Amino acid sequence: SAVISQKPSRDICQRGTSLTIQCQVDSQVTMMFWYRQQPGQSLTLIATANQGSEATYESGFVIDKFPISRPNLTFSTLTVSNMSPEDSSIYLCSVETVRGSYEQYFGPGTRLTVT
Amino acid sequence: QQQVKQSPQSLIVQKGGISIINCAYENTAFDYFPWYQQFPGKGPALLIAIRPDVSEKKEGRFTISFNKSAKQFSLHIMDSQPGDSATYFCAGRNQAGTALIFGKGTTLSVSS
Repeated sequence: SAVISQKPSRDICQRGTSLTIQCQVDSQVTMMFWYRQQPGQSLTLIATANQGSEATYESGFVIDKFPISRPNLTFSTLTVSNMSPEDSSIYLCSVETVRGSYEQYFGPGTRLTVT
Repeated sequence: QQQVKQSPQSLIVQKGGISIINCAYENTAFDYFPWYQQFPGKGPALLIAIRPDVSEKKEGRFTISFNKSAKQFSLHIMDSQPGDSATYFCAGRNQAGTALIFGKGTTLSVSS
């Protein structure tokens, strides 16, 4: 497995502002993903963070709203831009540690509240 | 094609009983089926997983049963304990390096 940390763990933000969430892994990983989990709901994939290239976004999520960076094999950021109350969710990063292993591990999440 | 349907939405089991959560998938290309356990305020934790070349996998009190022809799989928690009270998610994935497709989750409460 891997030790995954996220910063911040939670935040309360005002409408129209942006928040950048960091995901740090204690070892190099092959794949990194960002998910959103709305209160009491399941997990929905936002995008796959690709190292050295643009992220791959799922339907319904766009780069202007959720820009993602992945400068190396242990770190990624997700920005939630121009926030509205509908963006209030838990944002989770997950990683696949070994190519072909199939196992994915999740960080503790960032709980975002937009007022 | 990409959906994973999970039931029941919530489940109450007495301490020592068996908890059973069911999932069905549509995408026949799925070849990896994990179960995650999530406690309030925490990220999902990988509990147990199965590949479709086996019909059952057991780890401690947790067992996955897999029926490839029916495209269904289930999680059985034997001797359920209050500490098992959490939300459980099933998921599927069709190849390594791709993201998981999750069911909607089951909230399990084990009463003492």
